[in-house]
Amino acid sequence: ELKVEQNPLFLSMQEGKNYTIYCNYSTTSDRLYWYRQDPGKSLESLFVLLSNGAVKQEGRLMASLDTKARLSTLHITAAVHDLSATYFCAVDKANFGNEKLTFGTGTRLTIIP
Amino acid sequence: DGGITQSPKYLFRKEGQNVTLSCEQNLNHDAMYWYRQDPGQGLRLIYYSQIVNDFQKGDIAEGYSVSREKKESFPLTVTSAQKNPTAFYLCASSKGDGELGYGYTFGSGTRLTVV
Repeated sequence: ELKVEQNPLFLSMQEGKNYTIYCNYSTTSDRLYWYRQDPGKSLESLFVLLSNGAVKQEGRLMASLDTKARLSTLHITAAVHDLSATYFCAVDKANFGNEKLTFGTGTRLTIIP
Repeated sequence: DGGITQSPKYLFRKEGQNVTLSCEQNLNHDAMYWYRQDPGQGLRLIYYSQIVNDFQKGDIAEGYSVSREKKESFPLTVTSAQKNPTAFYLCASSKGDGELGYGYTFGSGTRLTVV
């Protein structure tokens, strides 16, 4: 059974600081996704990582994938309050055809002014 | 604009009732999914469908049923056999072809409460 673990589960950080969220998964996969969820809202796609060594950046967020270590990281640079949300990673366990994602437990990020 | 529409946004269920949550997409996506989210938790897969008239159980299918009679629609019924249905339900669709990594598009969710 595929397991996806995120840490930390809760993260409170000051504006302007840098931090990293980690996503470990238990089985081979080359496809990993990051989503953002605001309270009471749906999930919004942030990044799609499709190969070992993939790195994607959008604003103050950067995601990377190491398939050998079965690890993805979401790095936050110079955090601002607008980044407060819950962040989920998800791993595609389908070997072919339609995607079938297994989600991590999420990391609730709170940026303190 | 294309997207996924879930309705209703809020739903209240009495003990012993069956209720149906609607999910419609106009993205021409082949695959559709239902996830359940409990407070402070991640998403757990209930059912998924890759083509019309076919669907598979996810990790927590007991007490739920689905149908896929049309490509656009994937309704979820929460039956009276589901003993703890209070949760946030999310529908998603996918263009398919994991090789290209399209990922999911999510609906806005239905919050179900047992009263």
